[in-house]
Order: sequence, then C-alpha cells, then structure tokens
Amino acid sequence: KNQVEQSPQSLIILEGKNCTLQCNYTVSPFSNLRWYKQDTGRGPVSLTIMTFSENTKSNGRYTATLDADTKQSSLHITASQLSDSASYICVVMDSSYKLIFGSGTRLLVRP
Amino acid sequence: GAVVSQHPSRVICKSGTSVKIECRSLDFQATTMFWYRQFPKQSLMLMATSNEGSKATYEQGVEKDKFLINHASLTLSTLTVTSAHPEDSSFYICSARKQGATEAFFGQGTRLTVV
Repeated sequence: KNQVEQSPQSLIILEGKNCTLQCNYTVSPFSNLRWYKQDTGRGPVSLTIMTFSENTKSNGRYTATLDADTKQSSLHITASQLSDSASYICVVMDSSYKLIFGSGTRLLVRP
Repeated sequence: GAVVSQHPSRVICKSGTSVKIECRSLDFQATTMFWYRQFPKQSLMLMATSNEGSKATYEQGVEKDKFLINHASLTLSTLTVTSAHPEDSSFYICSARKQGATEAFFGQGTRLTVV
C-alpha cells in the first residue's frame, strides 16, 4: 500500500534554532516528492519539489533532501523564525499523478 | 505564480441546508481541479477529482449525491455540500492543475461549520 509517514508528529523549538523533519514513503512507482507548509486555517503552500534524480533542493532557509534508494526525505529549517510555526506536509506523487499525503509535522517555534 | 482562490473562507450553516464552495484559478486555466477535506490535526484527504466538462471522479467512501461537484469552466469548480450535517463540519480545500502540468496549486481553504 502506498503510504507516506512523517516524524515527529509535533516539535517545539526555540527561535533561531535549526530543526529537521523526516518523511518515509513506500510509494512506487514514484514521480516526485514535495514539501508543503500549511499555516493553521490556510491551504498548503509549496516549499520544494524533487524528482527521482534530485538529492537536495533549497528554498531560502528550507533545504529538502531525498534518498530515493531508501525512500527517505528530510526537510531542514535553518535559523527558525516565529513565522515558521505551521504544519509541514510531505507529499509524494505517484506515476498516475495522484498525490499521497503524509499526516504532517506540527512545528511550534517559541521566542 | 499561479493563484487559486476559494470562496467563502468561512461559512456557518444550519443542519439540513446546502452550502456551495467556489474554487477559481485566477491566472491560469485549470483542466483538473481536486477537492480535499481535512479534519483537525489530520492531513488532507482527497474527495474527488474534477475535469472540465466531464463528471467528477469520487474517491471511495465519498457520496457523490451529497458532495456535488461542478467544473463548468476552465477557471471555476464548485463543491456543494447538500443536506449538511454537523459531521460534515471540516476544512475543505481545492487545488487546480494546468493541462499537461504536474504541479497543482492549492486554494486557501473553506472552514465549514454545520450547526
């Protein structure tokens, strides 16, 4: 069964610190992997999209990595800000263009 | 960037009434639109996929007669929750995709509360 699992479920960090969120997937065949940021009560906003051949992709303070062999991805947030408090969702697109969502990691950045 | 707008952002309705939610692609033509439902602290769950000019494809367990989807133009899809009940209270999100593209852009969501 195609699944996307994220860890941790929730995370609290102090402003200015770094953190790494994890995503494991079993989707096969695989088209691409995305990370989204979802603020409370809002729709998801795309942070990064990586295809099979990409290992790393950055978007400002966000850096995503992908290991297609182990089917793992991570999202690293550098120098966290209060505005980074949100849910971060890992989404895998399969070969039929269907999006399979992880349950998300809820990040809280405290001053 | 591509913008997808949902309206309304919040709606409260009485049990038994129907509610319509609009999803518009503002600066591109969306041949495919997706409707999702999200319960608190859970991820998005795909309800249905709608292609312009044809009937929507519903996911297993989603009642097509209860959640009416219309995709009459390349920039507008609507979701109508008919005979709403309190258990239909949820966050509804649409996304839209251009023809031939894999990227889909999300609307800002609609919070539905049925009282």
